[in-house]
Amino acid sequence: GEQVEQLPSILRVQEGSSASINCTYENSASNYFPWYKQEPGENPKLIIDIRSNMERKQTQGLIVLLDKKAKRFSLHITDTQPGDSAMYFCAASVDSNNRIFFGDGTQLVVKP
Amino acid sequence: EAAVTQSPRNKVAVTGGKVTLSCNQTNNHNNMYWYRQDTGHGLRLIHYSYGAGSTEKGDIPDGYKASRPSQENFSLILELATPSQTSVYFCASGDPGGNYAEQFFGPGTRLTVL
Repeated sequence: GEQVEQLPSILRVQEGSSASINCTYENSASNYFPWYKQEPGENPKLIIDIRSNMERKQTQGLIVLLDKKAKRFSLHITDTQPGDSAMYFCAASVDSNNRIFFGDGTQLVVKP
Repeated sequence: EAAVTQSPRNKVAVTGGKVTLSCNQTNNHNNMYWYRQDTGHGLRLIHYSYGAGSTEKGDIPDGYKASRPSQENFSLILELATPSQTSVYFCASGDPGGNYAEQFFGPGTRLTVL
């Protein structure tokens, strides 16, 4: 299996600043690390992912970093906007049968 | 056209009653999942399936059964509902042969057990 720890549980930032969410995992065999965003009343949606053969991935205003030695990965949102306010989940996948293990989530609040 | 649908979207049940939550996917994915989401616990896996006829226990299977009669459909069954099962339930589908482990979630079912 796998255990994913996610911090912080709540993150409040000022509009225009950056936000960082950090996750750790236990199983060195984990090879896929997706991030999901969930808006209030909605379902979780994949926003970015990174595979174990990469250390960094960037798309639009999102950056994901992966440190396999430390078993740590993180999401960085640059130039945050009120629309970025949501719950964010990190996750790790350890087996080829598609099961993924979620962190407990970070509530991001972007203050205007 | 949503690829993962759930029914009902909202359900109020009585303690001791039987509840069936249904999920349908048109992604043609082999794998399907049932999660529950509670404040402070994120998404916890209840049961999952690798294909028609298969069901596997997740992390919190007690009090739940699952049924996968076809590729498209995956049901979660609460034989004797309890108030502790009040939660939001999400179904998801995924295909290990596709984009790694990406899962596509349904809209969720809000279940209240009185």
